[in-house]
Amino acid sequence: QKEVEQNSGPLSVPEGAIASLNCTYSDRGSQSFFWYRQYSGKSPELIMFIYSNGDKEDGRFTAQLNKASQYVSLLIRDSQPSDSATYLCAVNKPPVDSSYKLIFGSGTRLLVRP
Amino acid sequence: DADVTQTPRNRITKTGKRIMLECSQTKGHDRMYWYRQDPGLGLRLIYYSFDVKDINKGEISDGYSVSRQAQAKFSLSLESAIPNQTALYFCATGDRYSNEQFFGPGTRLTVL
Repeated sequence: QKEVEQNSGPLSVPEGAIASLNCTYSDRGSQSFFWYRQYSGKSPELIMFIYSNGDKEDGRFTAQLNKASQYVSLLIRDSQPSDSATYLCAVNKPPVDSSYKLIFGSGTRLLVRP
Repeated sequence: DADVTQTPRNRITKTGKRIMLECSQTKGHDRMYWYRQDPGLGLRLIYYSFDVKDINKGEISDGYSVSRQAQAKFSLSLESAIPNQTALYFCATGDRYSNEQFFGPGTRLTVL
């Protein structure tokens, strides 16, 4: 079992729709969760982080965390073609003294159709 | 100017050659990381460093070495390059308080 799992996609949604990206992780001790966006050939760019159970909203993006079920998701409202990219989920590696290490999923490719 | 820079951006080399990839940052972060990215495998940690005197192996350090010349500089060396080291390499810096990481633009390395 991978430590951080994502569906590779592609996830295809029409422009204006909500895109839902999911990520599961294996270690219950993880405490920090990050979503990065990566355009083809470019570097990952941090778009959201979440530490507590529940939802966290930032503009069109909402991160959702459920530690009991060990999943974290990213919702993108009013999807735009410019949102087309690969989205990487990253989880910190416990224990606390190793929390500076991030474990990355392999990413979900999102395609937003005009 | 970019906060995290990497040189070179592209490099083609031959099997057995020694090469060095360099990373510099102006973010003032103590933590620096080297990752490689391969299609379908995500980002994998090669080495990380908390300061000039602190170097640690990541999950795939074999065949690589690093040097932290200063707080702002962290270089990755391939002592004898092999074709399966062909990949996209990223340097990242980290904030000690939040565990966030910030990535450089990447170096595309091809080993023939």
